[in-house]
Amino acid sequence: AQSVTQLGSHVSVSEGALVLLRCNYSSSVPPYLFWYVQYPNQGLQLLLKYTSAATLVKGINGFEAEFKKSETSFHLTKPSAHMSDAAEYFCAVNLKAAGNKLTFGGGTRVLVKP
Amino acid sequence: EPEVTQTPSHQVTQMGQEVILRCVPISNHLYFYWYRQILGQKVEFLVSFYNNEISEKSEIFDDQFSVERPDGSNFTLKIRSTKLEDSAMYFCASSGALAGESYEQYFGPGTRLTVT
Repeated sequence: AQSVTQLGSHVSVSEGALVLLRCNYSSSVPPYLFWYVQYPNQGLQLLLKYTSAATLVKGINGFEAEFKKSETSFHLTKPSAHMSDAAEYFCAVNLKAAGNKLTFGGGTRVLVKP
Repeated sequence: EPEVTQTPSHQVTQMGQEVILRCVPISNHLYFYWYRQILGQKVEFLVSFYNNEISEKSEIFDDQFSVERPDGSNFTLKIRSTKLEDSAMYFCASSGALAGESYEQYFGPGTRLTVT
């Protein structure tokens, strides 16, 4: 079984400040981990993924995430928030096998203040 | 860049009616999925499809739901008799499964289904 917990359903940051979105997972086998972003009235866009290569993963739009097995975490960060980062962010886990479902966390909505 | 497409973008239907949601996955992908997102809730897995058959389905995917790949490009989700609680955004996704490919899933823009 697999599950994902995202701490904080809403996060408010000032433009230029650090963005930190937390994700913890549980999985019976080593997982693949993903962060997706959903802009208003749009679909899900892949930000970055961890597939057992480097534990620090860089994605699009300046985001990165670090896989920490000991903490079962995959937190998403961006050093400096931009107004365009306002969106909902979803962490998801997938078992290491082709075709397995994605299990999503509850999502974190990011508000960026000018 | 190849992308997953979905039609229609918004469908309004009356309770008890049948609806078919359509998806065109990325052309060389082999695994196909449907997810849904009820307003304000998390994205939930419905079903995965590979080699012309369902490979996994969730408890949500009961006898009212069916999926089909009628030709080489389309992937459809049918709800036979819609209920109010079927109102949600439905996302189609696809992923590759060739050696060396990662298992990331590419999502379409979604179909918003409103059941009245």
